[in-house]
Amino acid sequence: AQTVTQSQPEMSVQEAETVTLSCTYDTSESDYYLFWYKQPPSRQMILVIRQEAYKQQNATENRFSVNFQKAAKSFSLKISDSQLGDAAMYFCAYRSSHNTNAGKSTFGDGTTLTVKP
Amino acid sequence: DVKVTQSSRYLVKRTGEKVFLECVQDMDHENMFWYRQDPGLGLRLIYFSYDVKMKEKGDIPEGYSVSREKKERFSLILESASTNQTSMYLCASSLLRSPLHFGNGTRLTVT
Repeated sequence: AQTVTQSQPEMSVQEAETVTLSCTYDTSESDYYLFWYKQPPSRQMILVIRQEAYKQQNATENRFSVNFQKAAKSFSLKISDSQLGDAAMYFCAYRSSHNTNAGKSTFGDGTTLTVKP
Repeated sequence: DVKVTQSSRYLVKRTGEKVFLECVQDMDHENMFWYRQDPGLGLRLIYFSYDVKMKEKGDIPEGYSVSREKKERFSLILESASTNQTSMYLCASSLLRSPLHFGNGTRLTVT
């Protein structure tokens, strides 16, 4: 079974600075997807960024980028130019690409990010 | 945009009651999921469904059942609510290799 570990329960960053959230995972599969989701205090979880394991290039979405190290099974999220609206709980998630199990996702425990003005 | 709607935002029930949590999605997604979210434990999968009338147990199915009579609707049932089922419940839907789309969540309190 896959596991996802987020070792930082809480992180804080000064507005306009950069912060990196860590995520490691364990799997025996070679093809899979990794995601970062954001859950603001209003509670609805939304997708931040996704990475396909077969792609070597790190995904980027505006101020959000990942550092995907497949061999090390590491998938960190970097937030540049942090904004107050980035304050939220962030979840790292793993999803198999296989047809079995409907591609169910495994989540880490989450990292609560505080942005200081 | 995909919309996943959970019928209740807050729910208070008594121990032993049968509780229904409803979830509807509007994007014809095959897959639907029920997660439970507790502080420090992340999201834990209760049940999921990959087609109408098809269901599979997740990691913590005990005390729960589900129903999927129509593709757009996925219901979570607490047969006899207990205080340890007090939690935030999140419904999600997706295509097979796509990200999850979540509802707003239902905060259930069992007294």
